[in-house]
Amino acid sequence: EIVLTQSPGTLSLSPGERATLSCRASQSVSSNYLAWYQQKPGQAPRLLIYGASSRATGIPDRFSGSGSGTDFTLTISRLEPEDFAVYYCQQYHTSPLTFGGGTKVEIK
Amino acid sequence: EVQLVQSGAEVKKPGATVKISCKVSGYTFTDYCMHWVQQAPGKGLEWMGLVDPEDDETMYAEKFQGRVTITADTSTDTSYMELSSLRSEDTAVYYCATTNYRIGRFDPWGQGTLVTVSS
Repeated sequence: EIVLTQSPGTLSLSPGERATLSCRASQSVSSNYLAWYQQKPGQAPRLLIYGASSRATGIPDRFSGSGSGTDFTLTISRLEPEDFAVYYCQQYHTSPLTFGGGTKVEIK
Repeated sequence: EVQLVQSGAEVKKPGATVKISCKVSGYTFTDYCMHWVQQAPGKGLEWMGLVDPEDDETMYAEKFQGRVTITADTSTDTSYMELSSLRSEDTAVYYCATTNYRIGRFDPWGQGTLVTVSS
């Protein structure tokens, strides 16, 4: 099983600031089969990024993904009020499908 | 528009069985695999398993193997997730979500169904 470790657990930032979230895999995720999701309280997760760096339909370009192998990053260039939420990474290289523990981006 | 609409909240006693539905619209049901994901209160996301509606093949996470059954009804474009021998730790929101391959990214998701296990 591929274990995904996200850091930090919580990120306290102000609107307009840049957010950098990390996801590290216990083994290489080939073909960059790594996705990022955003989840707001009381809502289902929403796909943001797939293939490590491709934005899903309708996702603003302030969201970007990068990385390969075992180290991946989600960057939000300038935080908008609606971006404060929990973010999860997920690998779909192999079964079982696994998620990271999440990073909460909160208002400072 | 692709939509996944789940059944309503359930309250069950320990040892009981719960069955949740996820009805899809806006796409051909057999073109995508249906997965189920558990989220305990205040916790992260955990994949439970999948069904491929094209051939009814299933895959389950080891943690839930033996207690979970995921099915697909192509006559009603509905997937079901049945979890048996419920215990308090199964109190969670359960989501259905689709992938374009058996192993894939989840998009879109259902709205979630809260299952509360309490005596």
